[in-house]
Amino acid sequence: GQNIDQPTEMTATEGAIVQINCTYQTSGFNGLFWYQQHAGEAPTFLSYNVLDGLEEKGRFSSFLSRSKGYSYLLLKELQMKDSASYLCAVRISGNTPLVFGKGTRLSVIA
Amino acid sequence: GAVVSQHPSWVICKSGTSVKIECRSLDFQATTMFWYRQFPKQSLMLMATSNEGSKATYEQGVEKDKFLINHASLTLSTLTVTSAHPEDSSFYICSAPERSGREKLFFGSGTQLSVL
Repeated sequence: GQNIDQPTEMTATEGAIVQINCTYQTSGFNGLFWYQQHAGEAPTFLSYNVLDGLEEKGRFSSFLSRSKGYSYLLLKELQMKDSASYLCAVRISGNTPLVFGKGTRLSVIA
Repeated sequence: GAVVSQHPSWVICKSGTSVKIECRSLDFQATTMFWYRQFPKQSLMLMATSNEGSKATYEQGVEKDKFLINHASLTLSTLTVTSAHPEDSSFYICSAPERSGREKLFFGSGTQLSVL
C-alpha cells in the first residue's frame, strides 16, 4: 500500500518559522503536493514539487528529496491565520488521484 | 484560476433517505473528477474517480451501489448517497485536475453530511 507520514500536531509562535515534515513510501512518484485546509473548508493548493530541491513562494517554501522519500513545508513569519491543517499528498503516476497523508494540525500562538 | 463549485455545503437528512451532491467545473472542462471523503481529524480518503461518459472507478471498500456517481457532462459530476445512515455522516469533497501541466487538484468547497 501507499504510506505517507507527517506529524499529527505542531505548535509554533507568531512570527516564528516552522517546518512540517513528510515522508512517503509509495509504489510510484509523479509529484508531491502541499495543501492547507482550515476546519470545515476545502483544501487550498500551496505548492508542488516533482524535482529535488526547494520551491519558494512568498512565506511558504517546499523541499523535496526523491531519493529519501522526504519533503518539508517551511512557513516563515507565522501569522495567526496560518493555524490550519497542512496536508502532504503524492501523485503515484500519470493522472492518478492524489494520495493524502493524515495532515498536520498547526496551531500558531501569540 | 480554475474554480470547482460544489453544493450543497451542508445537508442534514433522516436515515434511509438519499442525498445528491453536485460538483461543477466553472471555467474549464473536467473529463475526470475525484470524490473524497473526510472524517473528523482524518485525511482525505479517495472514494471514486468519476469519468465523463463512462462508469466511475471505485476504491476498494467503497460500495458502488450505495455511492452512485454520474458524470454526464464535461462540467458536472454528481455523487448520490443512497439510503444514508448515520455512519455515512462525513465531509464529502470533489476535485478536478487542472490542465496546465502541473496537474494540481482544484477542490470544491465540500459538503458536510449529517445523517440523523
